[in-house]
Amino acid sequence: EPEVTQTPSHQVTQMGQEVILRCVPISNHLYFYWYRQILGQKVEFLVSFYNNEISEKSEIFDDQFSVERPDGSNFTLKIRSTKLEDSAMYFCASSDFGGRAVEQYFGPGTRLTVT
Amino acid sequence: GNSVTQMEGPVTLSEEAFLTINCTYTATGYPSLFWYVQYPGEGLQLLLKATKADDKGSNKGFEATYRKETTSFHLEKGSVQVSDSAVYFCALNNAGNMLTFGGGTRLMVKP
Repeated sequence: EPEVTQTPSHQVTQMGQEVILRCVPISNHLYFYWYRQILGQKVEFLVSFYNNEISEKSEIFDDQFSVERPDGSNFTLKIRSTKLEDSAMYFCASSDFGGRAVEQYFGPGTRLTVT
Repeated sequence: GNSVTQMEGPVTLSEEAFLTINCTYTATGYPSLFWYVQYPGEGLQLLLKATKADDKGSNKGFEATYRKETTSFHLEKGSVQVSDSAVYFCALNNAGNMLTFGGGTRLMVKP
C-alpha cells in the first residue's frame, strides 16, 4: 500500500541553524501539507501546497518557514533559523484531491529537537 | 474559529470492554468530521469520517455519528482488543484543506 515517508525520523539542531525536513508524498497525489505537534499539545496545521504554490497557511507559518517541491517526488519544509520553540514532531501529509471531505494521508513524522 | 475538544486520556480498558471517546466541535457551516488513529511509531491513519449531519462513519468495528444538534462526533466500539491500543484524534475540516485536531486520547487495552 502506498505511504507517505519522511526523513529523517529525528533531527537535532542548534538554535539559529537552518533545517530541512523531507517528505515523499504518495506518488499520484496533488495536494501536500505540513502539520506540527509540540509535545503535549494539539496537532496544528502549518501549510498546504498545490500546483507548486501555497494554497493555505496558518499564523504559525511565518517568514522563517518555507516549502518547496524541488522535483517530482519530494516535498520539503525549511526552517531558516530555528528557535527552541520549533521543537516538535512535524508531520507531512498528502491527498489526491483538495476539499473538506478528502482523506489526508500522513507520514510517520520527523521529531525536531532544537537545543 | 474552528475548534475540537475531546476527552483527555489515558483511557484504560480491559479487552472486550465497550469504548466511548467523546468529541465535540465548534465550527460555522458544515464541516466534515474525522477520526484518525496513531499506532506507536506510525503516522496518523484515517479511521472513519462523516461529511454531513446524521452520517455514520464506521470502520474496523468503530463507529461515530455526526450530530449537528449537539455538535458531537463520539467514537464508539462495542468490544475493544489489545491491538486497538493507540492514540485517537478527532478532527474537522470546515473549508479548504486544513484539518483542525483535538488534543488526542490515548487508549490502553489490557488483556
